[in-house]
Amino acid sequence: SSELTQDPAVSVALGQTVRITCQGDSLRSYYASWYQQKPGQAPVLVIYGKNNRPSGIPDRFSGSSSGNTASLTITGAQAEDEADYYCNSRDSSGNHLYVFGTGTKVTVL
Amino acid sequence: EVQLVESGGGLVQPGRSLRLSCTASGFTFGDYAMSWVRQAPGKGLEWVGFIRSKAYGGTTEYAASVKGRFTISRDDSKSIAYLQMNSLKTEDTAVYYCTREAERGGTTYYFDYWGQGTLVTVSS
Repeated sequence: SSELTQDPAVSVALGQTVRITCQGDSLRSYYASWYQQKPGQAPVLVIYGKNNRPSGIPDRFSGSSSGNTASLTITGAQAEDEADYYCNSRDSSGNHLYVFGTGTKVTVL
Repeated sequence: EVQLVESGGGLVQPGRSLRLSCTASGFTFGDYAMSWVRQAPGKGLEWVGFIRSKAYGGTTEYAASVKGRFTISRDDSKSIAYLQMNSLKTEDTAVYYCTREAERGGTTYYFDYWGQGTLVTVSS
């Protein structure tokens, strides 16, 4: 399968921890990357590889992976973390080169 | 500073063509693969296609939804990537983003820079 499945929405209290998961067969072969998208803006890379953050991304964002599941964790969520989050990886099925997850809307309460 | 700027979007009738451009600056454009990603109104991200750097043959790959209709090319002398869209359908209506691909170690691929996007509306 060339799909990456995410929960549609999660909520987190301000300052608490939230984990977003991404499931798909391609994650057994490739690491996921994670993108944050706020309304009306382009996506921004927040995590790539095993657990790497681009310059400028706060260290409250972290990533992990096990089997066919990748996770993005926000430890101590801030109001500005409210956004849509998408995972992405190369596609191991051969149908497409890349596949995006279905997206998760994170609401910070 | 790395910058990607898309242009060429607009309103087009079904069945017609449109060409988008992605002008890059702040890095050696020819050293990188470039992808196009789109987002239909209110929907998620969809990978459209990809062009490798000339060092890897400059070859292209496409999503099944656009294969045979869309063509990606590049002009390294001008630092521009193009997305030629033919036989447009109403379902191609989306914001189209240009992205730079990065790769590490054969298992880590990601899009480290994105343009601001350009809106393509396919409607009669």
